[in-house]
Amino acid sequence: GAGVSQSPSNKVTEKGKDVELRCDPISGHTALYWYRQRLGQGLEFLIYFQGNSAPDKSGLPSDRFSAERTGESVSTLTIQRTQQEDSAVYLCASSLRVRGAEQFFGPGTRLTVL
Amino acid sequence: KNEVEQSPQNLTAQEGEFITINCSYSVGISALHWLQQHPGGGIVSLFMLSSGKKKHGRLIATINIQEKHSSLHITASHPRDSAVYICAVQRAGGTSYGKLTFGQGTILTVHP
Repeated sequence: GAGVSQSPSNKVTEKGKDVELRCDPISGHTALYWYRQRLGQGLEFLIYFQGNSAPDKSGLPSDRFSAERTGESVSTLTIQRTQQEDSAVYLCASSLRVRGAEQFFGPGTRLTVL
Repeated sequence: KNEVEQSPQNLTAQEGEFITINCSYSVGISALHWLQQHPGGGIVSLFMLSSGKKKHGRLIATINIQEKHSSLHITASHPRDSAVYICAVQRAGGTSYGKLTFGQGTILTVHP
């Protein structure tokens, strides 16, 4: 596609439910990143994937968060047993490579946990 | 202290003014990124720098690696430049060299 796409654009869920967020990166981009932006706050790194290497999960806030990526394509971010503090915009970005490459951001998924 | 500090946090300007946003960082980096986030939330990459200066239209970005400092300049500002401008760095080494570490952003409002 022309850019990074994410789905759904909005997700409202009840506390305790599991949610799955999807990211389709730009074709040919080997690196894929997940970030989070809570209301009124800055961006936080969650996880990144680089080709077939083990992902860097150092930003995941708890073991309720996990992510997978199929080869160099789609990625899903899963949040289990959602809590109200998980409410945020979840942004995906991709780049040609990790070092020295511009990151292209998707439109984000706005998650609201009631 | 945050690894990436931006100033000012808020900036108001009149159309046509020259604008400067500053970014200081405290770690060794491989690259510094300037991003723009519009009120609708979408994020656009403006520049990626590892040295020197880059220009794109009315936007200019500079970086001084020795001083660990970067500036984003907007010449002849326009109301459509109103947005949040975010500085982000990628570390030079270590195990998490791919991730971006973000500044808190500068909210720019340009009045007609």
